[in-house]
Amino acid sequence: GAGVSQSPRYKVAKRGQDVALRCDPISGHVSLFWYQQALGQGPEFLTYFQNEAQLDKSGLPSDRFFAERPEGSVSTLKIQRTQQEDSAVYLCASSLVQAGGNEKLFFGSGTQLSVL
Amino acid sequence: SQKIEQNSEALNIQEGKTATLTCNYTNYSPAYLQWYRQDPGRGPVFLLLIRENEKEKRKERLKVTFDTTLKQSLFHITASQPADSATYLCALGSGGYNKLIFGAGTRLAVHP
Repeated sequence: GAGVSQSPRYKVAKRGQDVALRCDPISGHVSLFWYQQALGQGPEFLTYFQNEAQLDKSGLPSDRFFAERPEGSVSTLKIQRTQQEDSAVYLCASSLVQAGGNEKLFFGSGTQLSVL
Repeated sequence: SQKIEQNSEALNIQEGKTATLTCNYTNYSPAYLQWYRQDPGRGPVFLLLIRENEKEKRKERLKVTFDTTLKQSLFHITASQPADSATYLCALGSGGYNKLIFGAGTRLAVHP
């Protein structure tokens, strides 16, 4: 596809369940980001991949959050033992370049996670 | 800590007028600033980028200014249209791998 694809679009989980969110970036994009967006707020950085290497995971809120990108393309964000405060929209973004910064990000439509 | 402030209240303007959105920041020295548009239920879409050594950038009906002394960026939409109604996010970056810090966004409503 032409854009960043995320699935599922919506996810409802019972508190304590594990969830896995998938991101298909634009083909050939080196950089991949995960952001968390609470209602009425801007996206907050979670983690960054350059190809398959996770270079920054400083934004992950706890050790229940885990992300991977084993082959440098598709990425999965996993949340273990979900809690109500994890309810948010999880956005994935990709960009072409790996260094130098200031490249625009291409975002997916996000996965809206609701933890009951 | 780093802080980015955008107009917290919605901006309501009449069609055809110029919309001006503000982005202020503290405790940060960004190398560049980006503006994104976000529609309900969608991810942000990139609009404009301006670097620290640039004062102004234009693209069609959009204009961005960047004042590193005032620590402020202004985003203008001229001849606004109802289709411009959305939330506009500013984001700051400092180079490296383009880790962006976003503001909370300003909701713009353009009325016919």
